[in-house]
Amino acid sequence: QVQLVQSGAEVKKPGASVQVSCKASGYTFTTYAMHWVRQAPGQRLEWMGWINAGNGNTKYSKRFQGRVTFTSDTSASTAYMELSSLRSEDTALYYCARGIAGYDHWGQGTLVTVSS
Amino acid sequence: EIVMTQSPATLSVSPGERATLSCRASQSISSNLAWYQQKPGQAPRLLIYGASTRASGIPARFSGSGSGTEFSLTISSLQSEDFAVYYCQQYNYFFGQGTKLEIK
Repeated sequence: QVQLVQSGAEVKKPGASVQVSCKASGYTFTTYAMHWVRQAPGQRLEWMGWINAGNGNTKYSKRFQGRVTFTSDTSASTAYMELSSLRSEDTALYYCARGIAGYDHWGQGTLVTVSS
Repeated sequence: EIVMTQSPATLSVSPGERATLSCRASQSISSNLAWYQQKPGQAPRLLIYGASTRASGIPARFSGSGSGTEFSLTISSLQSEDFAVYYCQQYNYFFGQGTKLEIK
């Protein structure tokens, strides 16, 4: 069965960077884009962008452009999201999700807390 | 950038009744719309894609309609497990702000 397993919770100081991983299994990794979505506590879902796991092409939300980088390691069937220059407003649950027409499988989420 | 707007923010409905949630796009997105259900402490679950196609395993009481800029999600007879937050999304892009469906 399809599974997306994300790395564990992180606590970072303002100005630091964080990398979240998302390991895929149960399907051919390169045939789907991997999307990233975040959700601040009590807030709406926020689309961050996606990476084409097959060719590495990326699309970033303008809101995060310049601060976020998506990469993928096809040999490990793993996608990565790195967010830099962290601020307190980046405290959120970060999800990876597989999808073409909507996101049919989601990771469990990774809590990133930004606090001095 | 296309803005997705959902209404109402909160909908109070009794179990067994019908609920209709709305989603509007700021410009036409054809049928490139998905609906999700999210319960507290859980990742969202895909309900509908292509504006009207139920995802795998989704009960028939969930139905979606619309195209262009106006969309709706209808739950025909609410069950206790349906009370949650619902989001619409233009495919692979922005989400609406969500509608909380609560028990009346």
